[in-house]
Amino acid sequence: DTAVSQTPKYLVTQMGNDKSIKCEQNLGHDTMYWYKQDSKKFLKIMFSYNNKELIINETVPNRFSPKSPDKAHLNLHINSLELGDSAVYFCASSQDETGGATEAFFGQGTRLTVV
Amino acid sequence: ELKVEQNPLFLSMQEGKNYTIYCNYSTTSDRLYWYRQDPGKSLESLFVLLSNGAVKQEGRLMASLDTKARLSTLHITAAVHDLSATYFCAVGVDDKIIFGKGTRLHILP
Repeated sequence: DTAVSQTPKYLVTQMGNDKSIKCEQNLGHDTMYWYKQDSKKFLKIMFSYNNKELIINETVPNRFSPKSPDKAHLNLHINSLELGDSAVYFCASSQDETGGATEAFFGQGTRLTVV
Repeated sequence: ELKVEQNPLFLSMQEGKNYTIYCNYSTTSDRLYWYRQDPGKSLESLFVLLSNGAVKQEGRLMASLDTKARLSTLHITAAVHDLSATYFCAVGVDDKIIFGKGTRLHILP
């Protein structure tokens, strides 16, 4: 019974294609995130959604668009994929409490390879 | 902009030794997290530190937080090979959780 689940786990696609990564959490959390982990293992926050509202949009290309159909889902859609988009993408969720968010719980990651 | 700096970024140490990983951050926060990541795996939460002076211990790992100095430490006692992994600290500010670059820890038998 996975708390944060992403699909697919691996994604290989050609440059120029459009792809989506899905994420679902069953923790009842208020906030969901997308992180990108590059080849050096650096984790960069891309987006954060709280109660279906985008509250952070880091300086990522507008080819990336998060879509949240409901509180439990935050999907990542990528248009016109480029070689530099190859990375591992992690979805995460956290619960809002007084003073800010609790720890983030992560999905298993999606390894995207653009060829 | 919040910056989170870890050091060292790479650490190779022998079993049985002690060592400390440092995490400095640039903006006031009282929410500090430590995560572990094994190769090819996701991130696993280790510690959540929510107040100045907080100290938490689990096995051979102990984490502490000094919010006045904007510093957290992860101390490893008598390291064993199973602790080899990448360790991340992360800082929560408003609705962001920002990660350091990670410390790749390799423990030699």
